[in-house]
Amino acid sequence: DAKTTQPNSMESNEEEPVHLPCNHSTISGTDYIHWYRQLPSQGPEYVIHGLTSNVNNRMASLAIAEDRKSSTLILHRATLRDAAVYYCILMGYGGATNKLIFGTGTLLAVQP
Amino acid sequence: GAGVSQSPRYKVTKRGQDVALRCDPISGHVSLYWYRQALGQGPEFLTYFNYEAQQDKSGLPNDRFSAERPEGSISTLTIQRTEQRDSAMYRCASSLGGRGTEAFFGQGTRLTVV
Repeated sequence: DAKTTQPNSMESNEEEPVHLPCNHSTISGTDYIHWYRQLPSQGPEYVIHGLTSNVNNRMASLAIAEDRKSSTLILHRATLRDAAVYYCILMGYGGATNKLIFGTGTLLAVQP
Repeated sequence: GAGVSQSPRYKVTKRGQDVALRCDPISGHVSLYWYRQALGQGPEFLTYFNYEAQQDKSGLPNDRFSAERPEGSISTLTIQRTEQRDSAMYRCASSLGGRGTEAFFGQGTRLTVV
């Protein structure tokens, strides 16, 4: 399985933008980049995903490097509710690789 | 249903007993995943299905763990001869299928083996 590398933890202030990085240097051409988050005492929650182009949705933006070896999840204005563990996951094509494998993620703390 | 439903929400069992955990995915979802999560850790992949076919069971820790999805909908994760180390949150997720689709997670079953 292709691996991702994320910082263990990050801090942000409320109402400021947050940029959560993810390195995936062994990504293959057909791997999608998915982001999930897990709030305390909750199950994981989908945030966003993309393949090559940058993506925006109501929760966040995903910026994908041109060589696809890294990506950045952008929360435009962090709120206290965004404090969670954020997971960057690669999802491959076909059979055994079409699964979500969670790494250790980045624990985001948001200060008021 | 409106979301992924898991039952029971909590299960306390004595060491050596068998347990069956149930997952009812979102209607029409092709893929179904099982995870185990220890406190303070990320979800650990156990197995997943497309329809009724078990695509990957590489994460099942040993032969006491098994899963089935006989009709391509509801799935059961069975743990035989439970041990204390099996205590964890067990989570199920489902998706429409394919690498470009999002997965929806249930609330989980908290298993405690005493």
